[in-house]
Amino acid sequence: NAGVTQTPKFQVLKTGQSMTLQCAQDMNHNSMYWYRQDPGMGLRLIYYSASEGTTDKGEVPNGYNVSRLNKREFSLRLESAAPSQTSVYFCASSAIVSIDSYGYTFGSGTRLTVV
Amino acid sequence: QKEVEQNSGPLSVPEGAIASLNCTYSDRGSQSFFWYRQYSGKSPELIMFIYSNGDKEDGRFTAQLNKASQYVSLLIRDSQPSDSATYLCAVMGRRALTFGSGTRLQVQP
Repeated sequence: NAGVTQTPKFQVLKTGQSMTLQCAQDMNHNSMYWYRQDPGMGLRLIYYSASEGTTDKGEVPNGYNVSRLNKREFSLRLESAAPSQTSVYFCASSAIVSIDSYGYTFGSGTRLTVV
Repeated sequence: QKEVEQNSGPLSVPEGAIASLNCTYSDRGSQSFFWYRQYSGKSPELIMFIYSNGDKEDGRFTAQLNKASQYVSLLIRDSQPSDSATYLCAVMGRRALTFGSGTRLQVQP
């Protein structure tokens, strides 16, 4: 099925460990995004990639790095995990078809706990 | 001031009633506005978008936009228990969508 695939779905890390969250889309979308969602905080943008080969910081980039490997894949790396990074992480993609169509398609999310 | 503000709720309505969800935004230059529905433990799914002043209807859902008042709303007619979820308002910024914290809707059978 077409869509956005995130792996893993669940992860527990110890403080200081590193990991990479993977995201792939098969809708030929140009733009991809990483958000985190915390209780009462809504979705906050970590990084985004407007097109293949470009990445930019969002609202909460500290402690994260990203790689836009190709048009399909956009990964998020935590170099040294901290308890404050315990969250649900969502990857999304979008294609601007017309001025009235910027809707995002979200992956199923990764629930990350840092102990 | 948050860029996109929503009442966290919960908003409780009886089955069959109209649910009214509200959202205000701070960037007067914003052009596109979105409503997402998120069930507990699931990812957000797009239900409506609007970019012109006035109303836009899609089935039981109506989105209303008032740019002068920087106000977006979502009306759900004939509310069903299956509509119980968190509704996220999102505004298209210069970089990406900015989301509100969401309003939790409970539809009582």
